[in-house]
Amino acid sequence: GQQVMQIPQYQHVQEGEDFTTYCNSSTTLSNIQWYKQRPGGHPVFLIQLVKSGEVKKQKRLTFQFGEAKKNSSLHITATQTTDVGTYFCAGRGGADGLTFGKGTHLIIQP
Amino acid sequence: KAGVTQTPRYLIKTRGQQVTLSCSPISGHRSVSWYQQTPGQGLQFLFEYFSETQRNKGNFPGRFSGRQFSNSRSEMNVSTLELGDSALYLCASSFLPPGQGAYEQYFGPGTRLTVT
Repeated sequence: GQQVMQIPQYQHVQEGEDFTTYCNSSTTLSNIQWYKQRPGGHPVFLIQLVKSGEVKKQKRLTFQFGEAKKNSSLHITATQTTDVGTYFCAGRGGADGLTFGKGTHLIIQP
Repeated sequence: KAGVTQTPRYLIKTRGQQVTLSCSPISGHRSVSWYQQTPGQGLQFLFEYFSETQRNKGNFPGRFSGRQFSNSRSEMNVSTLELGDSALYLCASSFLPPGQGAYEQYFGPGTRLTVT
């Protein structure tokens, strides 16, 4: 079945440094979504990418969808303590349900 | 608008028992999806429903089942509980059918199930 790999599993950064998490699918995706989960909380939808090569920005967050629609990335510029949490990508291939990556835990040191 | 609600929030069951979890989506949302979250396996898709029809099912044994009612509320049932079923069960709702448009999902707080 469809697999979505996400790296790194953990990322420690100093506050103010940049952060990137990468997502790779074993199959072509019709779309990819990104979620953020704070410790003790539930996933919160951030964005959905649909088009090949699509790039979307939300303030300090930049999301990219690969040309082959099999990989994606989330980049955060100048991290802040409020960015702490786990970032998940989730891909949908055709008529299947969403497959989530295992997430990247972002830990920020002040 | 009220968010997605899930009941109960916490549950302790014994191996071999069965359990029913409930999810009330955001008003107007007709898609409901269920996920199992564990530290080892992460978020795993269980099933999704739209207008009372199961649209997709994840790779879980037949002990896991679900349904959606005409008011879009959904329940999932796990029979013959095993220790490995201990997890956070999350429900998410969406306005659009699965896979269509900006399929933004809103998650509930989850039900923490512990099987002893």
